[in-house]
Amino acid sequence: GAVVSQHPSRVICKSGTSVKIECRSLDFQATTMFWYRQFPKQSLMLMATSNEGSKATYEQGVEKDKFLINHASLTLSTLTVTSAHPEDSSFYICSARGGGVGLLAGGAETQYFGPGTRLLVL
Amino acid sequence: EDQVTQSPEALRLQEGESSSLNCSYTVSGLRGLFWYRQDPGKGPEFLFTLYSAGEEKEKERLKATLTKKESFLHITAPKPEDSATYLCAGFSGGSNYKLTFGKGTLLTVNP
Repeated sequence: GAVVSQHPSRVICKSGTSVKIECRSLDFQATTMFWYRQFPKQSLMLMATSNEGSKATYEQGVEKDKFLINHASLTLSTLTVTSAHPEDSSFYICSARGGGVGLLAGGAETQYFGPGTRLLVL
Repeated sequence: EDQVTQSPEALRLQEGESSSLNCSYTVSGLRGLFWYRQDPGKGPEFLFTLYSAGEEKEKERLKATLTKKESFLHITAPKPEDSATYLCAGFSGGSNYKLTFGKGTLLTVNP
């Protein structure tokens, strides 16, 4: 239980184009989803938090017009990297927490992570 | 400022050689602490949630413990498949909910 999927797993795009990454909770309702970025040999850096049906809350230094987040349903959140540049190349990981997972080992406060998306901007 | 520090940064063990990873934290309003395992090129995999000092959780060869200032992940008789980066993360409750991650410990278990 508590499975989170991401699509695509890898994407290569040209500089200036936009890329959309999907994050889905497969067997629970995700009231809150999170987007992280991870650089090589570094820990996860929180980019934004989104609650279903609300605007995302971005961390300091993260451009909300560049990283568009939509959390339209209790099982789907999307991250769109607009006008991508080579410096946006990174490993993007989503996570989710929410209802229905209280009986699982982690509890309702646990964040369950997706497998990540490797973005390469040429 | 909330801070989570993990040590050592890297640990190399022989198969069967037990050891412990450390996670010390200063997180305002700490509600609990998570342990995750991360394999290269993948997202973190949930291992344990600890809420209060004295609490222990076990899963196969792993046991996590929590004190008021730190947490330990004990690995008993590790196998090569236990090789991974182990992350701990503290979290506050309520409206301030957010994870503060440590930088992780890269564990390598040699056969």
